[in-house]
Amino acid sequence: GAGVSQSPSNKVTEKGKDVELRCDPISGHTALYWYRQSLGQGLEFLIYFQGNSAPDKSGLPSDRFSAERTGGSVSTLTIQRTQQEDSAVYLCASSSGGWDTEAFFGQGTRLTVV
Amino acid sequence: GENVEQHPSTLSVQEGDSAVIKCTYSDSASNYFPWYKQELGKRPQLIIDIRSNVGEKKDQRIAVTLNKTAKHFSLHITETQPEDSAVYFCAGGDFNKFYFGSGTKLNVKP
Repeated sequence: GAGVSQSPSNKVTEKGKDVELRCDPISGHTALYWYRQSLGQGLEFLIYFQGNSAPDKSGLPSDRFSAERTGGSVSTLTIQRTQQEDSAVYLCASSSGGWDTEAFFGQGTRLTVV
Repeated sequence: GENVEQHPSTLSVQEGDSAVIKCTYSDSASNYFPWYKQELGKRPQLIIDIRSNVGEKKDQRIAVTLNKTAKHFSLHITETQPEDSAVYFCAGGDFNKFYFGSGTKLNVKP
């Protein structure tokens, strides 16, 4: 595809349930990022993948959050036992990882925990 | 990790005036500073970036300046137009990973 694709675009879940958010990066991009944007807030770094290197998970807010990237392409962000404070827009971005480092963002997944 | 702070959180200017948004960073090793614009309901998009070997960069009505010694960088928008209204995010880090500021909501009044 031409850009970063995320699914679903909207997700409403009950407190305590697990959710999976998907990101399809731009083909060939080795770097992939997950950010969280709460209402009216900035972009909070969650996790970063670069090629085959171990991911940088330093931004994950708790052990309920995990992410994987299969085959160096598609990534899934999983939130277990969701809480109301997890409600936010989750944005995925990818970049070539080289000197030309523009990060291209997906449209995001709006997660609402009720 | 890097800590990027951004000011002001909101900025209102009259059409045609200039707007300046300022950011500071904490990690002296940071060498890449992009600026993203996020229009309402849309994804963030890169508008300009600067690397640590450059002090200033300009692209039409927007310019960025970087002071490595003071660890701060700024976005300047001249001759603002209503379509400049958006949230602007600065970021700092290296070409592998960067951290965003909290954003500035710019409102350009016609």
